[in-house]
Amino acid sequence: AQSVTQLDSHVSVSEGTPVLLRCNYSSSYSPSLFWYVQHPNKGLQLLLKYTSAATLVKGINGFEAEFKKSETSFHLTKPSAHMSDAAEYFCVVSEGYSSASKIIFGSGTRLSIRP
Amino acid sequence: KAGVTQTPRYLIKTRGQQVTLSCSPISGHRSVSWYQQTPGQGLQFLFEYFSETQRNKGNFPGRFSGRQFSNSRSEMNVSTLELGDSALYLCASSRTNLPNTEAFFGQGTRLTVV
Repeated sequence: AQSVTQLDSHVSVSEGTPVLLRCNYSSSYSPSLFWYVQHPNKGLQLLLKYTSAATLVKGINGFEAEFKKSETSFHLTKPSAHMSDAAEYFCVVSEGYSSASKIIFGSGTRLSIRP
Repeated sequence: KAGVTQTPRYLIKTRGQQVTLSCSPISGHRSVSWYQQTPGQGLQFLFEYFSETQRNKGNFPGRFSGRQFSNSRSEMNVSTLELGDSALYLCASSRTNLPNTEAFFGQGTRLTVV
């Protein structure tokens, strides 16, 4: 069975400092992993995805994530936070190779940026 | 290219009523999935449709149902509404229903049950 755990419900950083949002997963198969961002009253937007190619994945807006199989982690990072990064971030796991696959969302991490 | 369109954006219903939500996927996308988002339960998968067939279903009661039309547009229906059904309902479309396919989300329909 697959599952995903976002280790922090809320992260607060100062503008210009690094961002680290943590995600651990469990999966019976080789998973696909995603990070989505949700701004207030908006839908979800894909930041990046891992699908068994390069383990370091670069996404939009300067975000990147590293797939570490030994640690079953897929943490999201950004070198320098911007005020516009304040939002809810969801780590997502998807597995399976048939039409019966489904995706599981983490509980979300709210990122706050201090001026 | 137009994104995923969900209608209506906001809805207020009373307990016991039924409601139908609509989702128009991105042109060319054949997979549509529905999710319920609440503060307490987070984002939960409802069901997935591909080529007019329900391919996967989450752990929701039978009051929640859906369908997909030949043009890939999808509707979700909730009957006998309960207060706990108040949530943001999100629709996502994908080109295929394979697990590594990017899903594009609509802005959601916020349903309030009073």
